Amino acid sequence: KAGVTQTPRYLIKTRGQQVTLSCSPISGHRSVSWYQQTPGQGLQFLFEYFSETQRNKGNFPGRFSGRQFSNSRSEMNVSTLELGDSALYLCASGHSEGANEQFFGPGTRLTVL
Amino acid sequence: QKEVEQDPGPLSVPEGAIVSLNCTYSNSAFQYFMWYRQYSRKGPELLMYTYSSGNKEDGRFTAQVDKSSKYISLFIRDSQPSDSATYLCAMTWQGAQKLVFGQGTRLTINP
Repeated sequence: KAGVTQTPRYLIKTRGQQVTLSCSPISGHRSVSWYQQTPGQGLQFLFEYFSETQRNKGNFPGRFSGRQFSNSRSEMNVSTLELGDSALYLCASGHSEGANEQFFGPGTRLTVL
Repeated sequence: QKEVEQDPGPLSVPEGAIVSLNCTYSNSAFQYFMWYRQYSRKGPELLMYTYSSGNKEDGRFTAQVDKSSKYISLFIRDSQPSDSATYLCAMTWQGAQKLVFGQGTRLTINP
């Protein structure tokens, strides 16, 4: 069974630009969560989607948004990039709504210059 | 104060040693407890998943949860150089729809 896939794996952007990251969950999983990982703050929850609806959102500014499609694939978007947005963005997939057991993808490494 | 506290290390032990990794937490609502292993430049890999208090064993790994003390542990027996990684504890409660992570402990097993 294929795991969680994320594209692209690496991305370099400049301040003020916007970026879209993509995540495909494990086949049959309908919950997708996004996390930001930085050396200083560790892993922090961004948002969770189930059946195309955002169920929970972390404490991040409105520049961070996401969506989920009918095939459970998800995208997250960051607008007006700031230097502090440089991080590893991780997507996690779960079988059901609010899934407690979550499986992570390899992440997208975003660097903002 | 963070909801989940984890000593970031680094922790360095010789091959074959027993490793003990720990997390403490403050939110008594947490019911589900996980340990993830993360190699450099990779995503976290789920190692152990437990519900409520008690022990769970899987091969060389044992997870312990003590809800009365708000303390969880991961033990690695017969540690191998391939166990060198960052270990993250995570926890949540039913309906939370998010995981709360510790800072991660960087572990090195020396041959």
